[in-house]
Amino acid sequence: QKEVEQNSGPLSVPEGAIASLNCTYSDRGSQSFFWYRQYSGKSPELIMSIYSNGDKEDGRFTAQLNKASQYVSLLIRDSQPSDSATYLCAVGGGADGLTFGKGTHLIIQP
Amino acid sequence: EAQVTQNPRYLITVTGKKLTVTCSQNMNHEYMSWYRQDPGLGLRQIYYSMNVEVTDKGDVPEGYKVSRKEKRNFPLILESPSPNQTSLYFCASNLSGATEATQYFGPGTRLTVL
Repeated sequence: QKEVEQNSGPLSVPEGAIASLNCTYSDRGSQSFFWYRQYSGKSPELIMSIYSNGDKEDGRFTAQLNKASQYVSLLIRDSQPSDSATYLCAVGGGADGLTFGKGTHLIIQP
Repeated sequence: EAQVTQNPRYLITVTGKKLTVTCSQNMNHEYMSWYRQDPGLGLRQIYYSMNVEVTDKGDVPEGYKVSRKEKRNFPLILESPSPNQTSLYFCASNLSGATEATQYFGPGTRLTVL
């Protein structure tokens, strides 16, 4: 069974600093990788997708993928209190859809 | 507005009373799926559908049924709900089910089974 592992946290980061979130996955055949942000009681919201090795930047967010190490990360620069949420790593690669990690709870301290 | 809608948003029911949670999308997406989310367990897929009349089990299908008679609708049916089905449920859709397709989530349905 495919597994996606994340540190549950909480991860506490001062406002303005860089938050670093990590994820590992078990299925070497995985082809697509996503980071979702979820506020308490709300639905997951896609913030980044990445499909090839390397870095992908979008505003304050950078996703990093290393398929050899089966590792995905998300960096949030200039962290804001509004970034406080649970971040879900999701991995896809087949018709059965995405496999989600359990999420990392991020707290940005003002 | 492109969206996935779910109804009801909140439901309290009793053990054994059949219920249906509706899901509808207006983006002409082929792929739809249902997840449940529980504390400490994360999001787990219940069922998915690649297209009309095509459905398949996800990781936790026991106690649930689905149907896909129309492209836009994908209802989740609990024939005889039990307290262990108390959870937060999300419907999701994407264009094709391809690996790079972006998945869109509905607002969620919080179900309590007494």
